[in-house]
Amino acid sequence: GAVVSQHPSRVICKSGTSVKIECRSLDFQATTMFWYRQFPKQSLMLMATSNEGSKATYEQGVEKDKFLINHASLTLSTLTVTSAHPEDSSFYICSARGQGLNTEAFFGQGTRLTVV
Amino acid sequence: AQKVTQAQTEISVVEKEDVTLDCVYETRDTTYYLFWYKQPPSGELVFLIRRNSFDEQNEISGRYSWNFQKSTSSFNFTITASQVVDSAVYFCALSEPPTGGFKTIFGAGTRLFVKA
Repeated sequence: GAVVSQHPSRVICKSGTSVKIECRSLDFQATTMFWYRQFPKQSLMLMATSNEGSKATYEQGVEKDKFLINHASLTLSTLTVTSAHPEDSSFYICSARGQGLNTEAFFGQGTRLTVV
Repeated sequence: AQKVTQAQTEISVVEKEDVTLDCVYETRDTTYYLFWYKQPPSGELVFLIRRNSFDEQNEISGRYSWNFQKSTSSFNFTITASQVVDSAVYFCALSEPPTGGFKTIFGAGTRLFVKA
């Protein structure tokens, strides 16, 4: 299957700072990328969908000013958690899919964010 | 709206037992995809299978098998002769391209413990 690389795999940041997570499709062009959040022992909750070159579509209840998503190229999307707080600590996972109706989304390895 | 229900929160079995993980889904679309993913303690999602709505054939891959029943909107997953390495959280997921924006919605997950 296609490869999606997410970086960093783990990050610890101080409250009030911002942290950026990258999601790259290594061997295909990702027209759409998705960002998920997973709290401990819970399921993956979709945060937003981003299409290359356009604004991300956020799910209900997700603060777009808090979680900035940029999908500037066909191989890279970034999620920036702004002014992070301890309650933002979570596991963030991206997925990416290429063009065509019959393509599946491939998942990155995830990023474990800890805000102290 | 999409919905995926995994009624079993946790299952505990002894090695070599067979175990079935249940998944029931809801969708208004006639075209959709169903998935199973494995999430080991390390956190990354491991893709196991994708099944489209027009293919009701059951599938077997080694010790894994899947039973897709459109009549009951179920997509159950069976592990035969379970092993300790099968211990993980298993997620069933549903994607409704294109009307659903290709978003993948996950069930709550079933945590499987396989004891030696």
